Amino acid sequence: AQSVAQPEDQVNVAEGNPLTVKCTYSVSGNPYLFWYVQYPNRGLQFLLKYITGDNLVKGSYGFEAEFNKSQTSFHLKKPSALVSDSALYFCAVRDGENAGNNRKLIWGLGTSLAVNP
Amino acid sequence: DGGITQSPKYLFRKEGQNVTLSCEQNLNHDAMYWYRQDPGQGLRLIYYSQIVNDFQKGDIAEGYSVSREKKESFPLTVTSAQKNPTAFYLCASSINSGLEQYFGPGTRLTVT
Repeated sequence: AQSVAQPEDQVNVAEGNPLTVKCTYSVSGNPYLFWYVQYPNRGLQFLLKYITGDNLVKGSYGFEAEFNKSQTSFHLKKPSALVSDSALYFCAVRDGENAGNNRKLIWGLGTSLAVNP
Repeated sequence: DGGITQSPKYLFRKEGQNVTLSCEQNLNHDAMYWYRQDPGQGLRLIYYSQIVNDFQKGDIAEGYSVSREKKESFPLTVTSAQKNPTAFYLCASSINSGLEQYFGPGTRLTVT
């Protein structure tokens, strides 16, 4: 079965420290992977994606993610966290079963990141 | 200024009434989506549309209906058959299916 797991409901980190938000996936075919951020009562904002190429992907606001095929993971990272990074983060993977134009995204349940001053 | 707009931001209705949520995009995207977000449950797909005049049910379509008469617009109707309609509703679009989606600001619907 296709799925995305974000194993931590909440991550706490001190400002200035590196942060990691974890994501693992299970999907048939080559995965297309995405990270989004959501601030309270707002829509989701696209951060970055992996489709092919370099396993380290750089995105918005200083975030990056590393694709690891053997571990089926796509963890989100940032070298130095800011208080303003506190938000809800979602990982998503493209549905690999439906072909052509009928592909959907499968979403993780989200991880709440709290950056403490 | 390109993007996705949803209106209204907050909506209140009495139980038994149908209500329509608006979603408009000027990104020239072919695909559009409606999600429902409840605390602790992430995003659940209600309906999606790959192209004008075509749409498919998502995972929780019961009690909802949509139309896609124009590329720019994908309104969602929450009918009285939806047993628990109070939620945060998010509309999104993408160039085509399976690629990154761009989201509107959401509509918070409260039904009492």
